Formats: sequence, C-alpha cells, structure tokens
Amino acid sequence: NAGVTQTPKFQVLKTGQSMTLQCAQDMNHEYMSWYRQDPGMGLRLIHYSVGAGITDQGEVPNGYNVSRSTTEDFPLRLLSAAPSQTSVYFCASSYDTGGLNYGYTFGSGTRLTVV
Amino acid sequence: RKEVEQDPGPFNVPEGATVAFNCTYSNSASQSFFWYRQDCRKEPKLLMSVYSSGNEDGRFTAQLNRASQYISLLIRDSKLSDSATYLCVVNHLNDMRFGAGTRLTVKP
Repeated sequence: NAGVTQTPKFQVLKTGQSMTLQCAQDMNHEYMSWYRQDPGMGLRLIHYSVGAGITDQGEVPNGYNVSRSTTEDFPLRLLSAAPSQTSVYFCASSYDTGGLNYGYTFGSGTRLTVV
Repeated sequence: RKEVEQDPGPFNVPEGATVAFNCTYSNSASQSFFWYRQDCRKEPKLLMSVYSSGNEDGRFTAQLNRASQYISLLIRDSKLSDSATYLCVVNHLNDMRFGAGTRLTVKP
C-alpha cells in the first residue's frame, strides 16, 4: 500500500516554463487536495477535489490548474512558472464516513524552485 | 484575523517536561480538528483527531473547547524524538485549514 505518491521530489524551472506535478493515491479516497507550504505561512490550499470529475479552487488558485479524471490521480499544472511559485507542494487525500473526515494523508512533497 | 492561529514558538523544553500548545479558530461551525506533526523537510503526519471534547493517546492529550473556539495539545514526559513542528488543523465541510505551526525542541 503506497499511500500518496508525488513526483517529482525536486524540480527547478525557469520563469515562464510550464510543468505538471503528479499525485496518485491507492487508498480509494474521495477527497484530494494540493497545498503549498511557505516559511511562516503554513499550508495553503491551492485546489481540491471531492471526487472524480469535480474540482474547486482553494485559497491560492491563481497560476495553477487541476483535473480529476480518475479517483486515483490529481495532477497539478503550473501554467507559466513565476518566482513567487517557489515553494514546497504537498498533495493529500482523505475520506469521510457519515460526515466525519478522518484527516489527510500527505505525499512526501515536491520542492519547486523557479529561477 | 487568520482562520487558524497558533503560537509559533519556539518552545524549548527539557526531556521529561510537560508542554502544552494552544490553537484558536474562527469558524464556529467547524466539525473536526486535528493535530499533525511535521519534521524538518518532511510531510505532515497525523498525530491526533478530535471530534468531540477530547482525545488521549499515550503521552498525548488533545482537548477541544467549542465555546471558546480553541484546541490544545498536551505532551507529557517529553522525549527528544518529540522535537518537531506541530500543526493545528480545523475542518469545515472537508475544507481543511492549517495553522502555521508551533515549533518544539526537546533538549537533553
């Protein structure tokens, strides 16, 4: 049972380049989210999904796109990288039962630097 | 006002000490609460969930006060291995909001 798998672990991009951060989970969780973590600011929600085919924006969605074609996969696309997108990105998944959410399982993160 | 606020610390305590962290939240309709532990350059890992008034797991106790909108985490008999950043998380309708974290260092 791999849990939440993120690739790549590290990436350096030039300003203006695009790329996709991959995220896959094998726990059949319905909820998946992307967060970015910056020093002193905690984790901020970029986009989230409550199931296949359904996505929505979080706190800081600008410059990012997502899609959820399957339950397992939730890729994050950077459309035109900017230095302000230098951050650590975490993908997470969770489930709930009867309205109680059982907390997120996180991937190991992607450290992105935009130069 | 931030949705979830924590004292950033750092808390520096000796081994064996008892330490407590508080977290306040702004959304009174929040349904569930979590404490995560995050080690340097690692992903957050779930430490405890709190759905009603509190939860206890070994040396760790989490308390929830809905009237005052705060959650606390108590660590008894601190170990060197407890050194980490502790994140408070508040959930409302599967929208999870994170505090910025409280850093704990346990010293010999």
